[in-house]
Amino acid sequence: DTEVTQTPKHLVMGMTNKKSLKCEQHMGHRAMYWYKQKAKKPPELMFVYSYEKLSINESVPSRFSPECPNSSLLNLHLHALQPEDSALYLCASSQLRGVPGQLPATDTQYFGPGTRLTVL
Amino acid sequence: AQSVAQPEDQVNVAEGNPLTVKCTYSVSGNPYLFWYVQYPNRGLQFLLKYITGDNLVKGSYGFEAEFNKSQTSFHLKKPSALVSDSALYFCAVRDSGSSNTGKLIFGQGTTLQVKP
Repeated sequence: DTEVTQTPKHLVMGMTNKKSLKCEQHMGHRAMYWYKQKAKKPPELMFVYSYEKLSINESVPSRFSPECPNSSLLNLHLHALQPEDSALYLCASSQLRGVPGQLPATDTQYFGPGTRLTVL
Repeated sequence: AQSVAQPEDQVNVAEGNPLTVKCTYSVSGNPYLFWYVQYPNRGLQFLLKYITGDNLVKGSYGFEAEFNKSQTSFHLKKPSALVSDSALYFCAVRDSGSSNTGKLIFGQGTTLQVKP
């Protein structure tokens, strides 16, 4: 089973709202990722968690706050977003073997279906 | 620096004809190459990857890709296209060398349109 689930599928929020995106996988993967994708563009990496610790933050604005409460769950907390933050937010996971803190180059990332976020 | 190029924004092919979606890459070490497909309003689905070994890699849904080190290419192919193959295709690379951060570097994507 290579399934990553994401909720909600769609989210509309105002610029003053606080909301959260959720991602879950039960493949025993220990690396989890958040990506942002604009229409017909490649995904842009936002955050990477390895062994439930934040290992990569791609200089993402602080209005996006990731959280990894356990090895199966990944959240993205949203606050005071801007209309330009409207996008498809994708979660992905991959196995993590070898040296802690390093992401093996050969591992496949499996993506969830995404949350379509609209900021009004 | 690592990079991936997909030179065609769109590829059009008739159903039943062979299809090719092109990808070239640039890395400092050995490349690890991936193809993903994205259907409208969906996430990315993994098709296949090249790590080492046989240059011809077979993947899901009848797709295959050929690794060519001298031409630094990893073109995606299918012998007979289906209308349902119409989607957005992404090539991605990771570098085995010291510059590797584990990050996937994606190409800009190629829209495949298969017409009946």
